[in-house]
Amino acid sequence: ILNVEQSPQSLHVQEGDSTNFTCSFPSSNFYALHWYRWETAKSPEALFVMTLNGDEKKKGRISATLNTKEGYSYLYIKGSQPEDSATYLCATPDGATNKLIFGTGTLLAVQP
Amino acid sequence: KAGVTQTPRYLIKTRGQQVTLSCSPISGHRSVSWYQQTPGQGLQFLFEYFSETQRNKGNFPGRFSGRQFSNSRSEMNVSTLELGDSALYLCASSRDTGELFFGEGSRLTVL
Repeated sequence: ILNVEQSPQSLHVQEGDSTNFTCSFPSSNFYALHWYRWETAKSPEALFVMTLNGDEKKKGRISATLNTKEGYSYLYIKGSQPEDSATYLCATPDGATNKLIFGTGTLLAVQP
Repeated sequence: KAGVTQTPRYLIKTRGQQVTLSCSPISGHRSVSWYQQTPGQGLQFLFEYFSETQRNKGNFPGRFSGRQFSNSRSEMNVSTLELGDSALYLCASSRDTGELFFGEGSRLTVL
């Protein structure tokens, strides 16, 4: 059974701090790695979909890297702002499908 | 461009009843997936429909079923509700495989 793990489970940082979290996934039969941001009372929103080993993607202050050989991805947030407070989810498809297997997420709280 | 719309947003049922949830995907998206979110469990895949056919299925009992209509709208049904079915049910659409676009969910409480 495909297992996706995220760490830490939760994180409290001060405004302006930079932070990062980890997503671990099976390196065999890899197809893609998704990152989503889920703010309270809203719907999960895709940040990145990454497929290539060594890939790095960036959206504003948020960036992500991917290592498919060792089965991990890092999400970085530079200069955290209170509006970055959310649960960050990673997921990988079970095969070449839309059956995404999600981690349990990292809950980020940014204190002003 | 309208996003994914789920109805109802909130509902309360009692054990033994059945419930139907609806999802309207983004226009042009043919894939609709359903996920269940419960505290501590994260998002669990229920099933995916593509062009009116169930393309993938998760590990849920037969009480959970779904369907997709020709306009790509989808419904999921849960029969003989149990207390443990209380959860947030999320629908997501996509063109084929790739980035998912989620609705805001239907929160089901079973008493």
